[in-house]
Amino acid sequence: DTEVTQTPKHLVMGMTNKKSLKCEQHMGHRAMYWYKQKAKKPPELMFVYSYEKLSINESVPSRFSPECPNSSLLNLHLHALQPEDSALYLCASSQERGSYGYTFGSGTRLTVV
Amino acid sequence: AQSVTQLDSQVPVFEEAPVELRCNYSSSVSVYLFWYVQYPNQGLQLLLKYLSGSTLVKGINGFEAEFNKSQTSFHLRKPSVHISDTAEYFCAVSGSGDYKLSFGAGTTVTVRA
Repeated sequence: DTEVTQTPKHLVMGMTNKKSLKCEQHMGHRAMYWYKQKAKKPPELMFVYSYEKLSINESVPSRFSPECPNSSLLNLHLHALQPEDSALYLCASSQERGSYGYTFGSGTRLTVV
Repeated sequence: AQSVTQLDSQVPVFEEAPVELRCNYSSSVSVYLFWYVQYPNQGLQLLLKYLSGSTLVKGINGFEAEFNKSQTSFHLRKPSVHISDTAEYFCAVSGSGDYKLSFGAGTTVTVRA
């Protein structure tokens, strides 16, 4: 299995809702990432988990809350989002520090209304 | 810190013609270099990567890239493009021992019949 699986593929939520994005990989990778991508822009790093511990938080607002329950799963909990948070959210994984490359999921298209 | 500059924001090309996408990087440490492709409404797919060794890297779908340390470049080439190569292409860099993958701004390739 050489894939990163993200669910759901599409999500529409109101500004008062709470929702979660899920990411799963079974490649034995020990680093997992959340990226945010706005239209016509490159992905921007949000969080990095290494060995299930938060390693990097790129000053992301607290309405985004990551969680890594085990080495195969990564969640992104969403609460009180703003319309400007609408974007494609990409999950990725790598062996340790990315020295062998990064594998990306197909993303969750989030729309905040 | 590492950074990447993609020198062309848009590249129109006719079907069966060659294409070159230019990427320059800056870094104070050894780097790993990647090219990703993103088709409309999809995630990122790895085309090829340079980690070490031979400076000419062959990837999927007939793409290749050459790592040039003296010119700090990693240009992507394909000798004959197809309509299906229409997509956004991202050059990316990570530093040795680093988690963070930094992307260029992207190059939009449009292949016309």
